[in-house]
Amino acid sequence: GAVVSQHPSWVICKSGTSVKIECRSLDFQATTMFWYRQFPKQSLMLMATSNEGSKATYEQGVEKDKFLINHASLTLSTLTVTSAHPEDSSFYICSAPALTRGGEQYFGPGTRLTVT
Amino acid sequence: EDQVTQSPEALRLQEGESSSLNCSYTVSGLRGLFWYRQDPGKGPEFLFTLYSAGEEKEKERLKATLTKKESFLHITAPKPEDSATYLCAVQRGSNYKLTFGKGTLLTVNP
Repeated sequence: GAVVSQHPSWVICKSGTSVKIECRSLDFQATTMFWYRQFPKQSLMLMATSNEGSKATYEQGVEKDKFLINHASLTLSTLTVTSAHPEDSSFYICSAPALTRGGEQYFGPGTRLTVT
Repeated sequence: EDQVTQSPEALRLQEGESSSLNCSYTVSGLRGLFWYRQDPGKGPEFLFTLYSAGEEKEKERLKATLTKKESFLHITAPKPEDSATYLCAVQRGSNYKLTFGKGTLLTVNP
């Protein structure tokens, strides 16, 4: 299957600081990527759609000024959690559809964010 | 609004004991139904995509089927390494967004 990477795999930061998470499609191009968050023992919740060359679109209830998304190239999207607070601690996962493979969607390994 | 309901929430099997997981869905204009496997602390691993009623796909001990209202993931003679959370998701239209069910936690005891 296609490969999507995320960096870092885990990060600990202090309250009030910002954290950037990278998502890369390694063997295919992705004009669209998605960002999810997952709380313990819960399913994935879509946060936003990252679009190469245009603004991200956010799901209802997601603060766009807090979760900044930049789709810098056809293989890279970044999620920046600004002024992080303990309630932002979660597992963040990105995904990308491989359009040359029928739109099958592949997920990154996830980033565990802990805000102290 | 798209809805995906998975059952059971948790399932315990003995090694070799075959069973099925269910995913019922309500979506207008289904583009595809996806099955993923997720291990603790990891991202979902792609298993199958089904596009139309009657379609079936197999991979090792897993077989996925699709009707107009639900999908089943059949597990034949499971092994302990099949223990994971299995997620079902639907995709509508051309925007590639997925709506996930809450998952089924499968535990296979040796």
